[in-house]
Amino acid sequence: GAGVSQSPRYKVAKRGQDVALRCDPISGHVSLFWYQQALGQGPEFLTYFQNEAQLDKSGLPSDRFFAERPEGSVSTLKIQRTQQEDSAVYLCATGGPATGNTIYFGEGSWLTVV
Amino acid sequence: EDQVTQSPEALRLQEGESSSLNCSYTVSGLRGLFWYRQDPGKGPEFLFTLYSAGEEKEKERLKATLTKKESFLHITAPKPEDSATYLCAVSIYNQGGKLIFGQGTELSVKP
Repeated sequence: GAGVSQSPRYKVAKRGQDVALRCDPISGHVSLFWYQQALGQGPEFLTYFQNEAQLDKSGLPSDRFFAERPEGSVSTLKIQRTQQEDSAVYLCATGGPATGNTIYFGEGSWLTVV
Repeated sequence: EDQVTQSPEALRLQEGESSSLNCSYTVSGLRGLFWYRQDPGKGPEFLFTLYSAGEEKEKERLKATLTKKESFLHITAPKPEDSATYLCAVSIYNQGGKLIFGQGTELSVKP
C-alpha cells in the first residue's frame, strides 16, 4: 500500500514477555519516528531515525525499549520484559524530502500487557 | 519547557453549529505547527501545517489559523462525520523534526 504499514495491529503479551513491533515506511521516506500514545492522551515521542541512523532516542522510557532500522527502511521497536505500564498504542510516522516537515502516521500497534 | 495545551478537552456540537478549537503553545523556537485528526482505533491523519503568524489554511469545513502564541481550528457548519479527536503538535528548531503533541480535543457532532 501507499501508507505507513504497522504490524501486528493488536498484541496481547503476558507480563515479562518480549515483543517486537514492525513499521514499513512510505517508499522514499528517510525520516522515521516512533510515538507512544496512552488512552485519551496525545502521542509522545520515543525515538527518531534518519535513514539507518538513530539520531534521537531521548523519549525511550527505559532500557527495556530498543529500536532499530538497519537498512534505512523497515524499523522494529522491541520491548523487553514487558510491564503493564507498557500497555499503549505504538505509532510509527515517516517523512521524506517531498513532505517538508510533515510526517504521516500508520494505524498503530495496540499493545496490551496482562 | 516546551509545552502544547489544547482546549476544550471535549466539545459537543449540533450539526451546523460552528465553533473553534484552541491550541496554545510555549516553545523555544517554532519550526511548524501541525493539526491532525484521529478517529477511534486509527492513527492520526494529517490536516494542516502552519509556519508563521498570520498564516491561514482551509480544507472543506476546516480553517486553521496561527498567531505567535496559539492556533485555532475553526469548524464551520460541522457534520456528524467531523466527529473525531483533533490533535495539535509543534515542531521545534534543532530538535530533528520530532513533534510535541497536545492532549487533543474530542469533538462530537450530533445530527
